[in-house]
Amino acid sequence: DAMVIQNPRYQVTQFGKPVTLSCSQTLNHNVMYWYQQKSSQAPKLLFHYYDKDFNNEADTPDNFQSRRPNTSFCFLDIRSPGLGDAAMYLCATSRDSNSYNEQFFGPGTRLTVL
Amino acid sequence: SQQGEEDPQALSIQEGENATMNCSYKTSINNLQWYRQNSGRGLVHLILIRSNEREKHSGRLRVTLDTSKKSSSLLITASRAADTASYFCATDLYYGGSQGNLIFGKGTKLSVKP
Repeated sequence: DAMVIQNPRYQVTQFGKPVTLSCSQTLNHNVMYWYQQKSSQAPKLLFHYYDKDFNNEADTPDNFQSRRPNTSFCFLDIRSPGLGDAAMYLCATSRDSNSYNEQFFGPGTRLTVL
Repeated sequence: SQQGEEDPQALSIQEGENATMNCSYKTSINNLQWYRQNSGRGLVHLILIRSNEREKHSGRLRVTLDTSKKSSSLLITASRAADTASYFCATDLYYGGSQGNLIFGKGTKLSVKP
């Protein structure tokens, strides 16, 4: 089945230790998104790629970076995680950037910062 | 700033009853989408309603949209225990444009008791 896969499902890191979360998709979608979702809050868009074109949200901290080496994979790098970065990180895809397209989400990676 | 606000924040009903969740938003939209999230999982797209539509059905789901009041409602009929989840509305950010970025509300946590 075509899907969005996130690894790992649970990630524990130490304060200030860089961490990378990964997302892959078999849908061959052009757009990939990264969201941050804290407990009982709305998913908040961090950035997205339209093909190789990177689009950063204005309020996304510099601590968060992303890479998309090919259509299938997208990575979220947190350079120096703080306690406030503990959250669920959701990857999503859509066929293109038109807002009428639904987004397909992975199961998420829950990040704990010690 | 947040675009969508769901109401109520939490809803507890018995199996077989209907569940109604509401969403209000602030600015003009192209469309509004509803997503479901099971505990600790990714989001699943339920239904999309365009700004020129007033009502849409999908199985046991009924969505209405009132652009004059900037509000939408999601009705789940004959609820089942498996409907227990959080439900989010999402609106697109750029009215009149083609950007696919979605702004999610905080969600309604629905609990359906057997």
